[in-house]
Amino acid sequence: AQKVTQAQTEISVVEKEDVTLDCVYETRDTTYYLFWYKQPPSGELVFLIRRNSFDEQNEISGRYSWNFQKSTSSFNFTITASQVVDSAVYFCALSVPPRAGNNRKLIWGLGTSLAVNP
Amino acid sequence: DAGVIQSPRHEVTEMGQEVTLRCKPISGHNSLFWYRQTMMRGLELLIYFNNNVPIDDSGMPEDRFSAKMPNASFSTLKIQPSEPRDSAVYFCASSSAGQVPYEQYFGPGTRLTVT
Repeated sequence: AQKVTQAQTEISVVEKEDVTLDCVYETRDTTYYLFWYKQPPSGELVFLIRRNSFDEQNEISGRYSWNFQKSTSSFNFTITASQVVDSAVYFCALSVPPRAGNNRKLIWGLGTSLAVNP
Repeated sequence: DAGVIQSPRHEVTEMGQEVTLRCKPISGHNSLFWYRQTMMRGLELLIYFNNNVPIDDSGMPEDRFSAKMPNASFSTLKIQPSEPRDSAVYFCASSSAGQVPYEQYFGPGTRLTVT
């Protein structure tokens, strides 16, 4: 069975603090893809990153970085020097390529609500 | 480039009425997804289409819900009759289909309130 767990329901930090959002996934497939999405208060879901299971290099994009560790089945997301505009719900998701048919659901975590206070 | 377009953005209706939500995917995308989001249940996949064909509708709550995709640029999600428990934000998303699962791009959502 495939599953994504985001154990942190809510996180509150003060501006300029670093914050890490945890994502732990479960799958028996050796090929899979992981995603992070952001949902700001305005409500739209915004794609942030996709990572495949064969690429364990960490990814950095500005103040955002992602740490993928297959050994612990984790794909954590760190925001450095957080800002008020980072306040949002962040979702982690998992997908495996279809073996049969064409089913390509995303398995979603329940999200972590991040509040960055001035 | 235009993103995923959904209409209406807000819908308030009375219990028992028919509701139709509309979605225009990103041009060139051939997978389309309908999601529902509530505080209680989070983000739920209702149905998705690949090349206009429904692939997985296991998330559709019950027969009151139906979805169609008559062509590559348009899809509808219909609820008939609507009930208060259908109140939620409904998202449409699209992506490119292929052997690799590509990221899904979401529309702004339709906030449905059934009174």
